[in-house]
Amino acid sequence: GDSVTQMEGPVTLSEEAFLTINCTYTATGYPSLFWYVQYPGEGLQLLLKATKADDKGSNKGFEATYRKETTSFHLEKGSVQVSDSAVYFCALHAGGYNKLIFGAGTRLAVHP
Amino acid sequence: GAVVSQHPSRVICKSGTSVKIECRSLDFQATTMFWYRQFPKQSLMLMATSNEGSKATYEQGVEKDKFLINHASLTLSTLTVTSAHPEDSSFYICSATTGGPYNEQFFGPGTRLTVL
Repeated sequence: GDSVTQMEGPVTLSEEAFLTINCTYTATGYPSLFWYVQYPGEGLQLLLKATKADDKGSNKGFEATYRKETTSFHLEKGSVQVSDSAVYFCALHAGGYNKLIFGAGTRLAVHP
Repeated sequence: GAVVSQHPSRVICKSGTSVKIECRSLDFQATTMFWYRQFPKQSLMLMATSNEGSKATYEQGVEKDKFLINHASLTLSTLTVTSAHPEDSSFYICSATTGGPYNEQFFGPGTRLTVL
């Protein structure tokens, strides 16, 4: 079945460091891909998305490119801030079935 | 953007009692609502999908008699945990979608259930 695999956390970085969180997926067909962020004590918020191969989603300085050849959707940010500390979830949505499949989540901690 | 609320945000109950959690879409009509369960430091596990006016579809392994879902209107879905036990303690999150072309789900802030 469809699945999402994320790098294990926690990821600990200093402010202004470069961030990469790896995400790979397995799916039949051509899924849409998402990154969600969960701040402490809050629900999930959509961070960015891409709906077809080679699309790049971006928001708040974060980017991820839909790579069909490597079945990946890695999240990147050039310079992280303390306020980016949160748990990040990669997810896919397989067309024709209104269901999101989530990865296990990666906790990011950014220190001043 | 679309806002989804949950009530209560936290609830503590005694073992054997039932607890109802509400999920509301505040500024849009939700054709579909989803209920997830999140264990500490783990991902979200989809429990069930509900469409307004019809019975919920439960994921494999989720007891439908224990987790009662009602989606009586386009803005409200409820999850009732019946005869709760300590192992039901968890973070329950709902989401709602209009079922648009990208099927974006809007998530509620979650409800922390603690069963003593």
